[in-house]
Parts: sequence; C-alpha cells; structure tokens
Amino acid sequence: AQTVTQSQPEMSVQEAETVTLSCTYDTSESDYYLFWYKQPPSRQMILVIRQEAYKQQNATENRFSVNFQKAAKSFSLKISDSQLGDAAMYFCAYRSDYGGATNKLIFGTGTLLAVQP
Amino acid sequence: EAGVAQSPRYKIIEKRQSVAFWCNPISGHATLYWYQQILGQGPKLLIQFQNNGVVDDSQLPKDRFSAERLKGVDSTLKIQPAKLEDSAVYLCASSLGFSGTGSKQYFGPGTRLTVT
Repeated sequence: AQTVTQSQPEMSVQEAETVTLSCTYDTSESDYYLFWYKQPPSRQMILVIRQEAYKQQNATENRFSVNFQKAAKSFSLKISDSQLGDAAMYFCAYRSDYGGATNKLIFGTGTLLAVQP
Repeated sequence: EAGVAQSPRYKIIEKRQSVAFWCNPISGHATLYWYQQILGQGPKLLIQFQNNGVVDDSQLPKDRFSAERLKGVDSTLKIQPAKLEDSAVYLCASSLGFSGTGSKQYFGPGTRLTVT
C-alpha cells in the first residue's frame, strides 16, 4: 500500500522569505502523480501544484515549485516570496496512474505553515 | 462556475444519533468523492462514485456509514449510529472523470461533525 509522510507538523516563515515543506512517499508503482494541496481555515482544499512521475522536470506554478526526487521518493514544496495569504495547512498527496486506478488521493498528515509579518 | 456545495457546514450530535450530509458536485462532473478528515490527519477516502455507481468503498465502515448518489448528481452520506470517533470534517469532492486531464478534484468547504 502507498503511504505519504510529512515530518514537519508546523513551519514558520517571514513574509517575503522562502520556505520548503518536505514530503516523502512509499510506493512500488512506477506511474503516479504527486500533489500539494493548500487548506486555509475555510477548509476548502485548493490544488497548489501537480507533478507527473514520468516527468523529470520539476513543476512550477508562479511562486511555488517542487523538488521531485523519484529515486529517493521525495517531493518537497518551495514557496518563494512568502505572503500572508500563504498561511494554511499544506498536504502532500499521491495518486496511482496505472490502468484501472480509481483516482483516489492518499494524503499525508499535513504541515501547518505560519507566515510572520 | 459554481463550486462543490455541501451542507450543513457544522453539525453537533450525541453519540448513537444519526446524521446526514449533502453534497452537490460541479455540474457535469461524473465522479464524486467523500473524504473523512480527522483532526490532525490528512483526508481519507470513504467512497467514490462514478455517475451513480460505486467505484471504491473499501474504507467505508459499512456497519454504520452509508452513501448514495441517486440520478448521478448530488449525494448523501449518512452515519447511523454515530460514535465519538466519527468526529471529523467530511469533505466532498468532484471531478469530470478519473483519468487524464479530467481527473482534477475540486473540493467543497466540508461539514464539521462533532459527536458528544
């Protein structure tokens, strides 16, 4: 069974600084997707960034980028120029991509990010 | 475009009572998901529908939880009888399908259930 581990329950960053959130996962599959979701206090999950396992190039979305290390099964999120609105719980998630996969997301336990003004 | 709607937003019940949550997915989305998010944990999939058929309910406690998606649109998740450990946020999500570019899941705001 696949598992996702986030070892940082809480992180803090100064406004305008850069912060990196860590995620490791365990799988025997070769085809899968990895995601970072943001959950603000309103509870609505928002997709931040997505990475296909077959792509060597790391995904980027504006101030958000990932460091995907497939061999090490590591998938970290870097937030540059942190803003107050980035404060939220961040979840790393895994989804299988083999034929017959159901699109189920497997989530880590989350990292609560605080942004200090 | 309207997002995923859920109601109620909050619910407090006593143990052994029953409760129901409602979800209306984004129009045209064939796939609907119910996740349970216990405090301090990530969401866990309870059940996934494709139109009105069940795709995955392997983690649904079927002795007390039930869900239906009549007519392949909105869905209801029911707990009867509730236990203290059912206190959680129940998230509904939907997607066009479950492969390719249509697999992106859109989440609703969730229902926070407290069982006393």
